[in-house]
Amino acid sequence: QKEVEQDPGPLSVPEGAIVSLNCTYSNSAFQYFMWYRQYSRKGPELLMYTYSSGNKEDGRFTAQVDKSSKYISLFIRDSQPSDSATYLCAMSVAGAQKLVFGQGTRLTINP
Amino acid sequence: DAGITQSPRHKVTETGTPVTLRCHQTENHRYMYWYRQDPGHGLRLIHYSYGVKDTDKGEVSDGYSVSRSKTEDFLLTLESATSSQTSVYFCAISSTGTSGPLEQYFGPGTRLTVT
Repeated sequence: QKEVEQDPGPLSVPEGAIVSLNCTYSNSAFQYFMWYRQYSRKGPELLMYTYSSGNKEDGRFTAQVDKSSKYISLFIRDSQPSDSATYLCAMSVAGAQKLVFGQGTRLTINP
Repeated sequence: DAGITQSPRHKVTETGTPVTLRCHQTENHRYMYWYRQDPGHGLRLIHYSYGVKDTDKGEVSDGYSVSRSKTEDFLLTLESATSSQTSVYFCAISSTGTSGPLEQYFGPGTRLTVT
């Protein structure tokens, strides 16, 4: 079993829909939870991160962590075609030198 | 791409030949990483460096070696390329301290095809 599991999709939704992307993990020591966005033929870019449990909002994006369930989510409101990309979750313990990545979910927003 | 360049950006090589990929940063970050990305596998860590001449293995290090003689450069070498090493290779950098999140910033990638 992988340390971080992420449904690879692909996921296709109409413009304006609310999108939910999710990851589960097995290591209860993880404290930092990150979301990266990767456009086709580009490197991943850090979208946002949260520390421990709770929510964090940045514009149309909300990151949510449920440590009791070992489950994290990224919500995208009012989705736009420009949000079409692969979204990767990543996690680490405090002071870690390495991140553990999920497989990535390929998302397409249809106009 | 956060001051990170990779060269070459594309390369086609034959099985059995040595290949070196270069990552160069202008951010003076301590940590540098090499990943490969393949369909169905996501990003997998090959090797990383936590300082000049200080390197360690990742989860898929077999067949790869690295060197870091300067803070700004991290080289990945495939001693004898095989078709299974056909992939997209990403370099990343980080300035993590003893606490706080490990924010990694990625380069544009190198597409390597081994024929």
